[in-house]
Amino acid sequence: QSVLTQPPSASGTPGETVTISCSGSSSNIGNNYVYWYQQLPGTAPRLLMYRSNQRPSGVPDRFSGSKSGTSASLAISGLRSEDEAEYYCGTWDGSLLGPVFGGGTKLTVL
Amino acid sequence: QVQVEQSGAEVKKPGSSVNVSCKASGGTFRGYAISWVRQAPGQGLEWMGGIIPMFGTPNYAQRVQARVTITADESTSTATMELTSLRSEDTAVYYCAIQTTGNFEYFQYWGQGTLLIVS
Repeated sequence: QSVLTQPPSASGTPGETVTISCSGSSSNIGNNYVYWYQQLPGTAPRLLMYRSNQRPSGVPDRFSGSKSGTSASLAISGLRSEDEAEYYCGTWDGSLLGPVFGGGTKLTVL
Repeated sequence: QVQVEQSGAEVKKPGSSVNVSCKASGGTFRGYAISWVRQAPGQGLEWMGGIIPMFGTPNYAQRVQARVTITADESTSTATMELTSLRSEDTAVYYCAIQTTGNFEYFQYWGQGTLLIVS
């Protein structure tokens, strides 16, 4: 059981916009930045978004992040086949005193 | 850019211990927040603990703190995680993940992962 809640799956067709949600509580998302990771099949996770809405260099601007209250979301516009991956949200939890993750959302590009 | 290289796959018997190491290059090792994150087959990510070499005192997740020890050697820019009393549930890929400003909130650079099979 993950601390943060994500839908297990999402899908879209090429060119569409897909949004993945991440829900938490006041001890985690409500008082901290949210981070997003992309994990392509068989590879290590990659940081996709930091401080809720900042992209590391090399991440296309098709990816955007937002946070409101105890929830956050990752939007992917202009969906491409190479976006097919597992996406994880993460943040700090002040009660557990450590970083926590969502259970992951498997994105399928139809 | 930080490069993270981990030790190779391990197969261990239940009840035994394992050491997994990671070597970081390309920056100031002593100021890094070095974490170990594991991923059981088909499952999500779990933070196990971490260390900032300049401070030396590790932080552990409550779930595994009785069985895990994390150390760092500044002379070789290498961090090591020891997990004891292994169980089948410890079968997972173990990632070394680094954040360069001494913050355990998130993970900028990841190693390639080390597969541990407990059987």
